[in-house]
Amino acid sequence: QKEVEQNSGPLSVPEGAIASLNCTYSDRGSQSFFWYRQYSGKSPELIMSIYSNGDKEDGRFTAQLNKASQYVSLLIRDSQPSDSATYLCAVNPSNDYKLSFGAGTTVTVRA
Amino acid sequence: DGGITQSPKYLFRKEGQNVTLSCEQNLNHDAMYWYRQDPGQGLRLIYYSQIVNDFQKGDIAEGYSVSREKKESFPLTVTSAQKNPTAFYLCASSPLAEETQYFGPGTRLLVL
Repeated sequence: QKEVEQNSGPLSVPEGAIASLNCTYSDRGSQSFFWYRQYSGKSPELIMSIYSNGDKEDGRFTAQLNKASQYVSLLIRDSQPSDSATYLCAVNPSNDYKLSFGAGTTVTVRA
Repeated sequence: DGGITQSPKYLFRKEGQNVTLSCEQNLNHDAMYWYRQDPGQGLRLIYYSQIVNDFQKGDIAEGYSVSREKKESFPLTVTSAQKNPTAFYLCASSPLAEETQYFGPGTRLLVL
């Protein structure tokens, strides 16, 4: 079982809709969770971090964490064409400052 | 301007050749990391370093070597022992006692 699993997509959503991305992880002791956005040919950039159960909102992005079910999700509201990218979920599985990354979900926002 | 720089942007390796990828940061971060990304895959950790003159192997260290002689620099050498080096190589750094990692622009390594 992979440490971090994501739906590979591609996920296609119309402009203005909500894009929902899911990520599950295997290490129940994980405490830190991150979402990165990666445009084609570019490096990942941090969108959001979340550490506690519940929702965390930042602009059009909302991260949701459920440690009991071992999943973390990212919602993108009012999706824009500029949101078209691959979104990487990252988890700190052993609390030693190393991150494990999922393979990413590719999102395409169609006008 | 603070940030992480990687050079070169593209690197071509001939068979049997060692090549070195540069990573420099002026963020005063203590920890630095090297990842490899293959198409359609997530990032895999090659090596990481949390202090100067100390580094640890990641999940796929075979065929790679690193050094950390200065806090701001963490070069990666891809040796001839790495039989499938074609990939996108990403360097990252983070402040001490913080898991958030920040990435450089990457180096794309191609084999001639």
